[in-house]
Amino acid sequence: EDKVVQSPLSLVVHEGDTVTLNCSYEVTNFRSLLWYKQEKKAPTFLFMLTSSGIEKKSGRLSSILDKKELFSILNITATQTGDSAIYLCAYDRGSTLGRLYFGRGTQLTVWP
Amino acid sequence: GAGVSQSPSNKVTEKGKDVELRCDPISGHTALYWYRQSLGQGLEFLIYFQGNSAPDKSGLPSDRFSAERTGGSVSTLTIQRTQQEDSAVYLCASSLLRLAGLTDTQYFGPGTRLTVL
Repeated sequence: EDKVVQSPLSLVVHEGDTVTLNCSYEVTNFRSLLWYKQEKKAPTFLFMLTSSGIEKKSGRLSSILDKKELFSILNITATQTGDSAIYLCAYDRGSTLGRLYFGRGTQLTVWP
Repeated sequence: GAGVSQSPSNKVTEKGKDVELRCDPISGHTALYWYRQSLGQGLEFLIYFQGNSAPDKSGLPSDRFSAERTGGSVSTLTIQRTQQEDSAVYLCASSLLRLAGLTDTQYFGPGTRLTVL
């Protein structure tokens, strides 16, 4: 069965550190990979990646996709306490159905 | 609307009772999704509505779960004869339009935390 594996499951860092979150997937079909940030309950959209090697960047956050090796990374530089959240990775299989397939997430805690 | 809204935000019920969870999608969004998130788990797909098409119910875990979407807008997820394993956060998301060949960004509501005692 297709699946998404995120690592690490949890991470504790201090403000100012740089973190790299990993997402690997095993799919038979693939259209895009998405990253979401979940602080309390509602996941908020961060990035959508469709092409290999093209970095998406938003402030201190960036992400890149490797479709050959089937993984993506999310980088956060100069972390702040407000970055503390669960970071979810999901993919779209590209079928006519709309569902996304989610990993379990990485729980990031940033200490002051 | 400003975003996806869900109600109630929290629901505590006794085992065996029925519950209804409500989702108001972003105005104009034709696609609506329900997911469930159990403690420490990722989001589990439940059901998907797209316009007037028949919903994709492939993720519903049992026949105790059902959902409807009235008038192409508000959706209600109903869980009958609740069990303790139904305890989770139920998240609703909506997206603008499901175009062939493209991924729509799904916008999530704040969820309903269901606790079955």
